[in-house]
This record gives sequence, structure tokens and C-alpha cells, in this order.
Amino acid sequence: KQEVTQIPAALSVPEGENLVLNCSFTDSAIYNLQWFRQDPGKGLTSLLLIQSSQREQTSGRLNASLDKSSGRSTLYIAASQPGDSATYLCAVDSGNTPLVFGKGTRLSVIA
Amino acid sequence: GAVVSQHPSRVICKSGTSVKIECRSLDFQATTMFWYRQFPKKSLMLMATSNEGSKATYEQGVEKDKFLINHASLTLSTLTVTSAHPEDSSFYICSARDGKNTEAFFGQGTRLTVV
Repeated sequence: KQEVTQIPAALSVPEGENLVLNCSFTDSAIYNLQWFRQDPGKGLTSLLLIQSSQREQTSGRLNASLDKSSGRSTLYIAASQPGDSATYLCAVDSGNTPLVFGKGTRLSVIA
Repeated sequence: GAVVSQHPSRVICKSGTSVKIECRSLDFQATTMFWYRQFPKKSLMLMATSNEGSKATYEQGVEKDKFLINHASLTLSTLTVTSAHPEDSSFYICSARDGKNTEAFFGQGTRLTVV
């Protein structure tokens, strides 16, 4: 059974810092991995999707990497801003099952 | 990215009544839709998987007679909370994909409060 773990559970950084969020999964047989952002009381916004054959994806200040063999993904946020404050969720698609989510990392960027 | 619209965003209902939540894929055909429930400061809990034209698959512990799911078209799935009780108060979110193993898109969520 696939399990997804996100570390840290919460993170607080000053504005302008670069930061890394971690995601690990137990079963490396995945189709893709997706990073989401959730603001309080809102739905999820898809940030990046990495296919199993890819090593990384970039969108603006965000860069997500995937090491399938070791069961790890990281989300790198450059030059953090207060507007980046949200909960970031990692989800793994293992094929014939729905996405398996981590519990998220709650990020606070302090101005 | 693709857009998934969920309606209503907030609803307050009396105990014993039923509430319907709609989830629409606006610019793609969603062969599969998912319904989640989220408790405060917790991650998403999958309730059921809805495939167009067939019965939904419910997760263990989710009462299918209480949470009725209908996926009658490739762009619309509905979740009806029947005979709602205060313990059904929660945040419900839908998700849609246009194919197997493709990117998942989420609705804005519905905050249900049963009084």
C-alpha cells in the first residue's frame, strides 16, 4: 500500500529565502507525482506534475524534482514571498488507484 | 490549467435535510471524478471514485446511502448528502481527470454546515 510522507509538517521562513519541501513515498512504481497548493478554506491548485520518466519540472519560482528509485520528491521555492504562504501537498499516482496524498507542509513566509 | 467548478462554495442546512453539491469540468471531459472530505487542518480523505455512466466506488467506512454520487455526464458529478446531521459538517472537495493517470484538477471546495 502506497504511503506518502511530507517533511516538515510546518515551516516558517523570512521573505526572500529559498526553501525546500520534501515528499517521500514507499512504493516506487508510480505513474506521476503532483504538487498542489491549498489556501485556507479553499480547494487545491495544481502546481506541478512530474511524470515517472521525468527528473524535474519548473514553473516560475517553483522547481520540483523526482527521484523515483529512492521514492523522493522535493519542491524548491526560490525567493519566497508572503503570498507563498499556504499548505503544500504532494500526491502520488500509482496507476489504478486514486491519488495518495501526504499530510502537507504548512508554509508561512514572514514579511 | 483545466478548470473544475464546484458549487455551492458554502451551504448551511438544517439537520435532516439533504444537500446537493455539484462538480463540473468546464473545459475537458472528466471520465473520472473523485470526492474528498477534509477536516480542519487535516489532509484530504477520499470518499468515493465516480466513473461516468457507472456506479461510484466508495471507500471503506463511507455510507453510500448517505452520500449519493451521480456522474451522469462527462462534465458533471454530484454529491448529495442525505438526511444531514451536524457530524456531516465538513469541507467537501471534488477532483476530476480527463483520463487515466493524467493531471488531477480540483474544485474550490464546499463548506457544509449542518445546524
